[in-house]
Amino acid sequence: SSELTQDPAVSVALGQTVRITCQGDSLRSYYASWYQQKPGQAPVLVIYGKNNRPSGIPDRFSGSSSGNTASLTITGAQAEDEADYYCNSRDSSGNHLEVFGTGTKVTVL
Amino acid sequence: QVQLQESGPGLVKPSETLSLTCTVSGGSISSYYWSWIRQPPGKGLEWIGYIYYSGSTNYNPSLKSRVTISVDTSKNQFSLKLSSVTAADTAVYYCARGDYDILTGSYMDVWGKGTTVTVSS
Repeated sequence: SSELTQDPAVSVALGQTVRITCQGDSLRSYYASWYQQKPGQAPVLVIYGKNNRPSGIPDRFSGSSSGNTASLTITGAQAEDEADYYCNSRDSSGNHLEVFGTGTKVTVL
Repeated sequence: QVQLQESGPGLVKPSETLSLTCTVSGGSISSYYWSWIRQPPGKGLEWIGYIYYSGSTNYNPSLKSRVTISVDTSKNQFSLKLSSVTAADTAVYYCARGDYDILTGSYMDVWGKGTTVTVSS
């Protein structure tokens, strides 16, 4: 299966914008989905498809994709957005395997 | 709304088989696909495998020789068996509901709270 690579950590000032990226060959063929995970909790889906938000996810979360890179943008980051974020997609083997990104720790300053 | 709940032993001895069940409530298991994901302490998420309600499966190649996922539609449950466990299999194990289509790709929109499994003698 292919790999999805994320920056280990990013920080953002309260109210500012942060973009988290996910790189991998499979992203040329498949959309990424994005998950937020807070300590001791299960992951929560925040973005899927081209730029779809599940019910209850604030509109400050948005997604985009170009080439082999998918991005999750938080516009106007809030203290409660401090968490680990993981991307996920089908891999590039054609066998419909799933793969998760390495994860990014977002710190809100 | 749909909820998932993992259940099973929290402690498994090395070389034995880890067995977990995920119970689906508030909806039918007879659609979507159903995944197992794990997270070792302090590490990232690792996809283990999924099963469609029809019974077809797909597994992480790195675990494929040791993993079996099955579904019981009459009980609205699906299960994970991981054989020959070692300390490296110690993790929080999550079950999740997944969906996939050409327009959205794949995503997992409902997750269980997770259950901690420790492999130790």
